[in-house]
Amino acid sequence: KQEVTQIPAALSVPEGENLVLNCSFTDSAIYNLQWFRQDPGKGLTSLLLIQSSQREQTSGRLNASLDKSSGRSTLYIAASQPGDSATYLCAVPTGAETSGSRLTFGEGTQLTVNP
Amino acid sequence: DAGVTQSPTHLIKTRGQQVTLRCSPKSGHDTVSWYQQALGQGPQFIFQYYEEEERQRGNFPDRFSGHQFPNYSSELNVNALLLGDSALYLCASSSPSTGNLGKLFFGSGTQLSVL
Repeated sequence: KQEVTQIPAALSVPEGENLVLNCSFTDSAIYNLQWFRQDPGKGLTSLLLIQSSQREQTSGRLNASLDKSSGRSTLYIAASQPGDSATYLCAVPTGAETSGSRLTFGEGTQLTVNP
Repeated sequence: DAGVTQSPTHLIKTRGQQVTLRCSPKSGHDTVSWYQQALGQGPQFIFQYYEEEERQRGNFPDRFSGHQFPNYSSELNVNALLLGDSALYLCASSSPSTGNLGKLFFGSGTQLSVL
């Protein structure tokens, strides 16, 4: 059974700091990994999707890496801003499904960036 | 281009009642998945609909049922509501043509409170 763990559960940093969020998964037979952002009481916004053949993906100040062999992914946020405050979730496809619809999520890291 | 839309945004019910939540997928998407997110947890997969049939199901009781219409929109029905059904219910859409290469797009969710 796939399990996804995210560390830390919460993080508070001053504005401008670079930070790293961690995600680990127990079954390394994944074909992609996604990072999502969730604002309080809202839906999820996909930030980055990394295919298993890739090592990393970048979008603006965000960079996500994937190491399948060790079952780990990191989300790097450069020059953090108060607007980055949200919960960040990572998710991987569940089992052998290939539709991309059935994901197993971690519990998220709640990030607060203080002005 | 409209994204995934869900209605209603908030709902209050009492134990034992039945509820129906609605979702319209993103334009061009024909697959809808439903997730339940309890407070402080990551989303849990309920089921997926494609071509008007339930294709995959997570570990949820039969009280949870769904439907997909010819226009790809979907409903989630929950019977005999329990206090533990209180959660944010998220709808996500995707297109099988993108398979595991595509991102999952989420709606803003329906916050269900069972009293």
